[in-house]
Amino acid sequence: DTGVSQNPRHKITKRGQNVTFRCDPISEHNRLYWYRQTLGQGPEFLTYFQNEAQLEKSRLLSDRFSAERPKGSFSTLEIQRTEQGDSAMYLCASSSSGATKGELFFGEGSRLTVL
Amino acid sequence: AQSVTQPDIHITVSEGASLELRCNYSYGATPYLFWYVQSPGQGLQLLLKYFSGDTLVQGIKGFEAEFKRSQSSFNLRKPSVHWSDAAEYFCAVGAQGFGNEKLTFGTGTRLTIIP
Repeated sequence: DTGVSQNPRHKITKRGQNVTFRCDPISEHNRLYWYRQTLGQGPEFLTYFQNEAQLEKSRLLSDRFSAERPKGSFSTLEIQRTEQGDSAMYLCASSSSGATKGELFFGEGSRLTVL
Repeated sequence: AQSVTQPDIHITVSEGASLELRCNYSYGATPYLFWYVQSPGQGLQLLLKYFSGDTLVQGIKGFEAEFKRSQSSFNLRKPSVHWSDAAEYFCAVGAQGFGNEKLTFGTGTRLTIIP
């Protein structure tokens, strides 16, 4: 068990550019979550997948954001036309629907800085 | 909608002293309640959770929390803190049922330990 892995750990980009983050969950976990954490705040739910199906999206996820989990394993979160307000830590978490309820295993996050 | 309030932004405690971190929640039914800890450069880690049953729950690292329905609270306690407990602590609430890992987090309490 290598834990949840996120890449890149830190991304600096200019406003208007596109960025993509990748999350590799714990291999046997079928649920995958994306959260966003801004400075001084707790994580906020963005979206989640059960296997390859995206089951829910938060209203925080504007149409510039898209998440995929094409084969039910890793996931990508893409932000198009980045804005300074997108600067945050993007957290990925995974869990198993058959295991301990409610326990999310978080990655270390991908920090986005938009200049 | 569910919400979580952590009234203390920053708490400083002497090593060896007792600790209590406050958490109040708002949810229409019996909630699922969690405490997570976030150390610098690390992902969030689950300390403990409450689903039902005994209202005093034990977690890892010597932490415990008590669910008090009448006060809508789920305060975290530790009888004697260690320097390694310095971190950010987040209380979270989840809805019952499918997708209960879609958590709503509080804004966190930063814990500083002084010698």
